[in-house]
Amino acid sequence: GIQVEQSPPDLILQEGANSTLRCNFSDSVNNLQWFHQNPWGQLINLFYIPSGTKQNGRLSATTVATERYSLLYISSSQTTDSGVYFCAVPPSDYKLSFGAGTTVTVRA
Amino acid sequence: DTGVSQNPRHKITKRGQNVTFRCDPISEHNRLYWYRQTLGQGPEFLTYFQNEAQLEKSRLLSDRFSAERPKGSFSTLEIQRTEQGDSAMYLCASSLTGYSAPLHFGNGTRLTVT
Repeated sequence: GIQVEQSPPDLILQEGANSTLRCNFSDSVNNLQWFHQNPWGQLINLFYIPSGTKQNGRLSATTVATERYSLLYISSSQTTDSGVYFCAVPPSDYKLSFGAGTTVTVRA
Repeated sequence: DTGVSQNPRHKITKRGQNVTFRCDPISEHNRLYWYRQTLGQGPEFLTYFQNEAQLEKSRLLSDRFSAERPKGSFSTLEIQRTEQGDSAMYLCASSLTGYSAPLHFGNGTRLTVT
């Protein structure tokens, strides 16, 4: 099956810092989604981004489908950004394969 | 849109007991999914429904697991004769049909088998 690798596994940031999270995937895909899992376990869909660049407030994402990677940028980080960030790709129309996630801790 | 609702939020049970979880999807979503997440890992696909039809079950879903979605509305996931290895977060999600349809997850049910 399709492999999804995320890096780094852990990231500690001082409030206000910027950071980049990376997601590599082993096969071509029609879809890529980024999720944020907050400390209470809720998974929130951040981006649907099969290619190109999208921005949502302080977050932005870029997917280069031909090179099989995606990047998630966090700018001016806040403590509420803490949690685990997952990327996920669909090996089929109805399921997602998730990476192991990047755990982000933002310190005040 | 009230979001995806899961009950209970937490369940502690003794090994060998049966447990049942419920998921209420977003009302207009025809797809419903169950995922399992263990500590330090991303969610893993278990099964999904298109309306009331269960169209695929992962190999992770042993014979002790059964899921239903009567009338294409809410869904239940039952685990019989629970084992300690079943301890995990069970996540439900719903979506419209299609590759581009984003998944909306519930808060999950955390199962602890003692």
